[in-house]
Amino acid sequence: GIQVEQSPPDLILQEGANSTLRCNFSDSVNNLQWFHQNPWGQLINLFYIPSGTKQNGRLSATTVATERYSLLYISSSQTTDSGVYFCAVERQGSSNTGKLIFGQGTTLQVKP
Amino acid sequence: GAGVSQSPSNKVTEKGKDVELRCDPISGHTALYWYRQSLGQGLEFLIYFQGNSAPDKSGLPSDRFSAERTGGSVSTLTIQRTQQEDSAVYLCASSLTRRGYKYFGPGTRLTVT
Repeated sequence: GIQVEQSPPDLILQEGANSTLRCNFSDSVNNLQWFHQNPWGQLINLFYIPSGTKQNGRLSATTVATERYSLLYISSSQTTDSGVYFCAVERQGSSNTGKLIFGQGTTLQVKP
Repeated sequence: GAGVSQSPSNKVTEKGKDVELRCDPISGHTALYWYRQSLGQGLEFLIYFQGNSAPDKSGLPSDRFSAERTGGSVSTLTIQRTQQEDSAVYLCASSLTRRGYKYFGPGTRLTVT
């Protein structure tokens, strides 16, 4: 099956710093989503981005589908950005059910 | 409702007991998914429902796990004869179509003692 690898596994930032999280995937995809899992376990949708670039406030994401990677940029980080960031992909294919395959996540800690 | 809801939020059960977990998807969403997140692990796909089509059960880890979706809306995940390795957070997601944006519920934290 498709492999999804995220890096780095752990990241510690000082408040105000910028960061880039990476997601590599091993096959063509129909869908790619970035999620933030907050300390209470809730998965929050950040981006639906199978290709191209999107921005939402201090966050932006870029997916280069032909090279099978996506990047999540966090600028001017805040303590509330702490948590685990997951990349998840939906493999391309006529029989696929739309199920998402998740990476192992990047655990981000932003210190005040 | 405004989002995906799940109940109970927490469940503690004794090894060998059966448990039922419930998911209420967003109204009008035809696709529904169950995932499991074990401690320190990523999210593992369990089962998928789409309208009246046969479900994709390919992710269920054993025949102790089953799920149904009644009337194309509410879904119940049942685990029979629970084992300690079943302890995890069980998450439900729904989307308008199978290729749509997936919205996740808050999860049910299951602890098997």
